[in-house]
Amino acid sequence: DVKVTQSSRYLVKRTGEKVFLECVQDMDHENMFWYRQDPGLGLRLIYFSYDVKMKEKGDIPEGYSVSREKKERFSLILESASTNQTSMYLCATGAGGRERETQYFGPGTRLLVL
Amino acid sequence: QKEVEQNSGPLSVPEGAIASLNCTYSDRGSQSFFWYRQYSGKSPELIMFIYSNGDKEDGRFTAQLNKASQYVSLLIRDSQPSDSATYLCAVHMIYNQGGKLIFGQGTELSVKP
Repeated sequence: DVKVTQSSRYLVKRTGEKVFLECVQDMDHENMFWYRQDPGLGLRLIYFSYDVKMKEKGDIPEGYSVSREKKERFSLILESASTNQTSMYLCATGAGGRERETQYFGPGTRLLVL
Repeated sequence: QKEVEQNSGPLSVPEGAIASLNCTYSDRGSQSFFWYRQYSGKSPELIMFIYSNGDKEDGRFTAQLNKASQYVSLLIRDSQPSDSATYLCAVHMIYNQGGKLIFGQGTELSVKP
């Protein structure tokens, strides 16, 4: 069974704080992804990574950065949290090759920025 | 035009009926297609994937793919109240060294006892 864990289920932060969201997978998958999900806007891709120390911008990277120092761990960083970053954050891992990748999601972190 | 489109619903069906969920996509080069189920407050859970034209069955679920018409559908037979959830269609797109999934907005399904 694929296991994807996220560091927190719920998080409350203040505007301007630096926020770290961590994702860990135990399936040796090459690819890892960070999404946010908001009502009416669906799932939006923030950043993804195909390999250690490698990252690609997704559709909405502004205000975020990522770090992948080890294969199993992919961190999302909010450099200076703002209220419009209040959202559900979902990590996913991917396996199956370039043309047929299947993604598996972690439980999500619901972040509230006050 | 959105890359992946779904009717937002809500789709309401009686218990025991067949629920039919539809999805259209714009990229003709897409090769793999996925259905995820998401309960309220939870993360998406993979139900099925399909790569080839035609039908693929798994228990009460059947995925149907028609690449020429660029649509993929999910049928749920003998619908149960526990099937009430939002169903997300996702289409895989090749991107640089790998790929990424493009998600539809999701269809909310309500199964009434």
